[in-house]
Amino acid sequence: DAGVIQSPRHEVTEMGQEVTLRCKPISGHNSLFWYRQTMMRGLELLIYFNNNVPIDDSGMPEDRFSAKMPNASFSTLKIQPSEPRDSAVYFCASSDQGTGIGYGYTFGSGTRLTVV
Amino acid sequence: DQQVKQNSPSLSVQEGRISILNCDYTNSMFDYFLWYKKYPAEGPTFLISISSIKDKNEDGRFTVFLNKSAKHLSLHIVPSQPGDSAVYFCAASTIRDDKLIFGTGTRLQVFP
Repeated sequence: DAGVIQSPRHEVTEMGQEVTLRCKPISGHNSLFWYRQTMMRGLELLIYFNNNVPIDDSGMPEDRFSAKMPNASFSTLKIQPSEPRDSAVYFCASSDQGTGIGYGYTFGSGTRLTVV
Repeated sequence: DQQVKQNSPSLSVQEGRISILNCDYTNSMFDYFLWYKKYPAEGPTFLISISSIKDKNEDGRFTVFLNKSAKHLSLHIVPSQPGDSAVYFCAASTIRDDKLIFGTGTRLQVFP
């Protein structure tokens, strides 16, 4: 299994531009999570999906952020327009809810976003 | 409102000694507590977990202790090895919604 795959690994963009981050979860996992890592707040949950349906998006900071999961093997996180304060590492994770929360999630390697 | 807190941003320990990483939480409804380990340029990886009905769980060199009355958990690593140098995140969840709430992390450095 290739694990959770995120692309791109690094993204540098100018303020005001649209940014799209991509994630391919582990096959068979029915939950997908988007997190953002910053020094001040650690790992913040932005949104999570269960069976492709958004369950909780209360962590999405602003309307500039949106996420979709059109099918079980793909999800996107979009920022439009991007701002310098969005600079962070964005992680995608997936889990098989049937195995129980005690076994945790599998994370991707992250996308380091820099907005200049 | 930080429901899971790691008040020590960093910890330095000599190889062979015990490393103790601490975590506090505010939500008494959490059912599971987990520790994740993160190396630079990689995603966090699951290390060990504990159910709220237990007070200790051990896996090799790693032991997690839970004190529910104090809303406190700790991760003990014995003996510490240089390869343990990483950022450690504490996380918690309820069975109801399956989402993990993470702390801010503690950077552990194990020196020879």
